[in-house]
Amino acid sequence: KNEVEQSPQNLTAQEGEFITINCSYSVGISALHWLQQHPGGGIVSLFMLSSGKKKHGRLIATINIQEKHSSLHITASHPRDSAVYICAVRGGGADGLTFGKGTHLIIQP
Amino acid sequence: NAGVMQNPRHLVRRRGQEARLRCSPMKGHSHVYWYRQLPEEGLKFMVYLQKENIIDESGMPKERFSAEFPKEGPSILRIQQVVRGDSAAYFCASSPRRTASGNTIYFGEGSWLTVV
Repeated sequence: KNEVEQSPQNLTAQEGEFITINCSYSVGISALHWLQQHPGGGIVSLFMLSSGKKKHGRLIATINIQEKHSSLHITASHPRDSAVYICAVRGGGADGLTFGKGTHLIIQP
Repeated sequence: NAGVMQNPRHLVRRRGQEARLRCSPMKGHSHVYWYRQLPEEGLKFMVYLQKENIIDESGMPKERFSAEFPKEGPSILRIQQVVRGDSAAYFCASSPRRTASGNTIYFGEGSWLTVV
């Protein structure tokens, strides 16, 4: 069974700061997802990664398969980025995702 | 192209009643996944269905919970004789093909069940 650990659990930063959220997993995977959830809201898929790096606007996601580690970066953070960011992994051959507990991000103006 | 639609968004049930949660996948998607998010806990996989078939129900509680995805109509997650511990957010997700093959997944807005 895969264990997914995220850090930090909570993060408060000032608008404009560069944000990094980390995710480590214990067993080899076929893909890793970064998800965003606003309070009381739905879940939005930000990235799906199996190797390397992806960029979308101010968001960058990287993955190191050998080290079993991924990072989500937010450049020029804004209060609207305040949300819970969740890392989820899919093991080879498995359909269900295994989730981290999420990182609660607050960006203050 | 509408996204994954879940209803109801919020549902209140008394202990012992039944709860039915519906999920209409994105157009063209025949693979549906249900996840549960308990208060202060992370999301947990419950069940994976493809039209008319349950493919993986390894995350479903053994009793009171069932899921279906009929040929016509939405997928339904049914919880019989609800208890307070069933209070949670239930998320549905869909994909056009099996996610184990490397396809992305789209989530709905969730259904929040409160058992009183």
